[in-house]
Amino acid sequence: NAGVMQNPRHLVRRRGQEARLRCSPMKGHSHVYWYRQLPEEGLKFMVYLQKENIIDESGMPKERFSAEFPKEGPSILRIQQVVRGDSAAYFCASSLQGNTEAFFGQGTRLTVV
Amino acid sequence: DQQVKQNSPSLSVQEGRISILNCDYTNSMFDYFLWYKKYPAEGPTFLISISSIKDKNEDGRFTVFLNKSAKHLSLHIVPSQPGDSAVYFCAGGGILTGGGNKLTFGTGTQLKVEL
Repeated sequence: NAGVMQNPRHLVRRRGQEARLRCSPMKGHSHVYWYRQLPEEGLKFMVYLQKENIIDESGMPKERFSAEFPKEGPSILRIQQVVRGDSAAYFCASSLQGNTEAFFGQGTRLTVV
Repeated sequence: DQQVKQNSPSLSVQEGRISILNCDYTNSMFDYFLWYKKYPAEGPTFLISISSIKDKNEDGRFTVFLNKSAKHLSLHIVPSQPGDSAVYFCAGGGILTGGGNKLTFGTGTQLKVEL
């Protein structure tokens, strides 16, 4: 019974490149959340998705960031034309419908050089 | 707009003593609150939660207290153990349309339990 799986664990990108972060939720979970933790800060909500739907993206930057959770396959957080300020730990969490407990993955640490 | 605040960035406690981690919030609409524990290079791990209609929830060595009038909650760990050393995040949760939940996290408190 694998937990929430995120890959890669570490990702290095040059400024202007694209970053793709993947998240496979726990088995049976259809709700996925993405959070970002900047250095010295807490986790900030970015987006909440269900299969094929974005439910709440109020925490997503207006440009360059997008997320999807297709019918098949993992959820993807995509950052286009990365800048140094995008360097952070990105955490994915999943939950059962109506369940208050969200289980987190180990995170992807993005470093933009 | 910091809706959940953890004003103490760090706390040091001796093994066997009580650890008290504090959290304040400004959003009265939170339906529940949670505490997560995080080790370096790992994701947060759920520890304990409390509904907004309760004032106390206990699970083993961990007890969470909620004071709604003061918009304050605290996590008590007793007795504290060296393995409890980690960053503790407080979070407020609200049920979204569709049954999912959105968590708003504080900035965390680094707990160090010393021998």
